[in-house]
Parts: sequence; structure tokens; C-alpha cells
Amino acid sequence: QSVLTQPPSVSAAAGQKVTISCSGTTSNIGSNSVSWYQHLPGSAPKLLIYDSVKVAPGIPDRFSGSKSGTSATLGINGLQTGDEADYYCGTRDGGLSVVVFGGGTKLTVL
Amino acid sequence: QVQLVESGGGVVQPGRSLRLTCAASGLTFSRYRMHWVRQAPGKGLEWVALISSDGDIKYYADSAEGRFTISRDNSGNVVYLVYLQLNSLRIEDTAVYYCAKESGLGRAILDYWGQGSLVTVSP
Repeated sequence: QSVLTQPPSVSAAAGQKVTISCSGTTSNIGSNSVSWYQHLPGSAPKLLIYDSVKVAPGIPDRFSGSKSGTSATLGINGLQTGDEADYYCGTRDGGLSVVVFGGGTKLTVL
Repeated sequence: QVQLVESGGGVVQPGRSLRLTCAASGLTFSRYRMHWVRQAPGKGLEWVALISSDGDIKYYADSAEGRFTISRDNSGNVVYLVYLQLNSLRIEDTAVYYCAKESGLGRAILDYWGQGSLVTVSP
């Protein structure tokens, strides 16, 4: 059971937009910024979004992030087949340096 | 170009020990906090431990507290090392273990990750 809650899967057609939600509490998302990671099987996870809304260097601006209260959202525009991956949100928890992740969301591009 | 390369994984029996190593290059290593994160088969990412830039401060997930030890060697010239000592291993510790660098911005932003090292705990 992950501390942050994500939908297990989302899907959308190529070229369309998809959003992935991440829900937490006041002790984690409510008090800290959120990062988003893309993970393809067999490869290293990749930072996409940091500080809830900033796109990491080298990441296309098709990716976006937002945060409101104790929830955060990753948006992906202009979906491509290469975007099929698992996506994770992460943040700090409890005012310490403990890191927590969501359970991950598998994106399927139809 | 930052590179993180994990090694040391393998198959081990429950109750035994293993030491994972992360070789870091292409960065001013002593400036950054470093983390270990794992992924069990079919599961999501689970944070395991972090170590401060100077190695003095360490934090662990509850699942790792008392059994795992994170450490680092800042004395290298080109390649620097982060370790994760795994003791009293359990079947549920089976996972791919990733080494990750925290951004200079802090805030648990993990901006570089290694490819991972597989640890299998099996009788």
C-alpha cells in the first residue's frame, strides 16, 4: 500500500492528452513539492517534473505538472507510442527527509 | 554526464547479507545527497534510504531500519561510491535496487538514476 495514491492505469489515443492524478495528505503533498518520474521496464527511472510544475531539462514541454492542496497531476499532451511507461509521483513526508512514492500508473497509448 | 552504475546484486538465502555498490561519475559527488530506491517484482517504487552529502546523516524507510546500512566514500578522484549493506535479508526484500542522486535543489528531487541491481532472496 503506497503512501500516495495513483490510478493503476490510464489510456488514451495517440495525439490526445492524458492526465494522471496523485493524491496524498497534508503531511506529504500538502507540505511539499511533487516530482514525477517516467519508468520504462528495464531502464532507469527518469525525472520529468519537479517542484510540482517545472519541466526537467531535456524533457519536452508536452509534459506538464500541477498541484492543488494535497493532490498533484501530471499531464501529457500529444501522446506518442514512446510515452507508454509507468509514471510515479514522489515527494517528502512528515517534515523529514523520508521520501514517498505513489503506486505508479501504467500509461497505454491506443 | 552523470552516470550511476549499481553492482553487487545476486541470489542469496534468507537471513544472509549482501552489499550493493553504486559507482557515480561525472559530478561533484560530495555536494549531493544520495538515495537507494527499490522495486519489487510487479510492484511500484519504494524509497529505501538516503545519505547526506558528507555522509553524517542517514535516513531509512521503516522496512530497512535496523537491517540496511547506507554509506558513501567521497575520497575518490573520478569515480565515487555509495553502498547499501543488506543484512538479515528476507524474501520480501527481493527487488531491483536503484541508486539515485538528489538534485542540488534538494526537496527529494531525484534527477539521475542508475539502471538498477537485482537482489533475489530465495531459500
